Amino acid sequence: AQRVTQPEKLLSVFKGAPVELKCNYSYSGSPELFWYVQYSRQRLQLLLRHISRESIKGFTADLNKGETSFHLKKPFAQEEDSAMYYCALSPGGKLTFGTGTRLQVTL
Amino acid sequence: GAGVSQTPSNKVTEKGKYVELRCDPISGHTALYWYRQSLGQGPEFLIYFQGTGAADDSGLPNDRFFAVRPEGSVSTLKIQRTERGDSAVYLCASSRGTGLTGELFFGEGSRLTVL
Repeated sequence: AQRVTQPEKLLSVFKGAPVELKCNYSYSGSPELFWYVQYSRQRLQLLLRHISRESIKGFTADLNKGETSFHLKKPFAQEEDSAMYYCALSPGGKLTFGTGTRLQVTL
Repeated sequence: GAGVSQTPSNKVTEKGKYVELRCDPISGHTALYWYRQSLGQGPEFLIYFQGTGAADDSGLPNDRFFAVRPEGSVSTLKIQRTERGDSAVYLCASSRGTGLTGELFFGEGSRLTVL
């Protein structure tokens, strides 16, 4: 069975500091991995997906199959990055989400 | 038009009652998903439709839960004999097609409280 683990419920960083939100997955096949974000009073929305290898709002995530990880990184945190972040795995047809990490960026 | 629409936004009911939650997906999206999110948890998959048929209903917790999408657009999640443990936010999402290289667009959710 597939599983997504986000070990931190809350990550608090200062503005301008680097951010790393951890995500590990368990899946025997070739996964598709995503990061979704929910800003305050907004809907859950896609941030980025590993197949696109893109940088969105300064965030990047690299799939490491050896470590079964898909950590989300940003070199310099901004206040507007404060939100709930969910890592998600798709073996096809549906998404399995982690429990989420709340990122709090303070001045 | 706008994004995925869910009604009601809030529903309070008594234990044992029947509840229906409605989802209106983005026009043209063939895939529709239902998730449940309890406090402090990530969204938990319930069921997804491709067109009118349920492609995967493996997440429905028991036979009190049922969902339909008769015309391939609007979907209704039905919960019979509600229990306090059913209290959660029920999220609906839609996407353009099969597989998940595409993006899921979520609604704002229906918050269900069972007293």
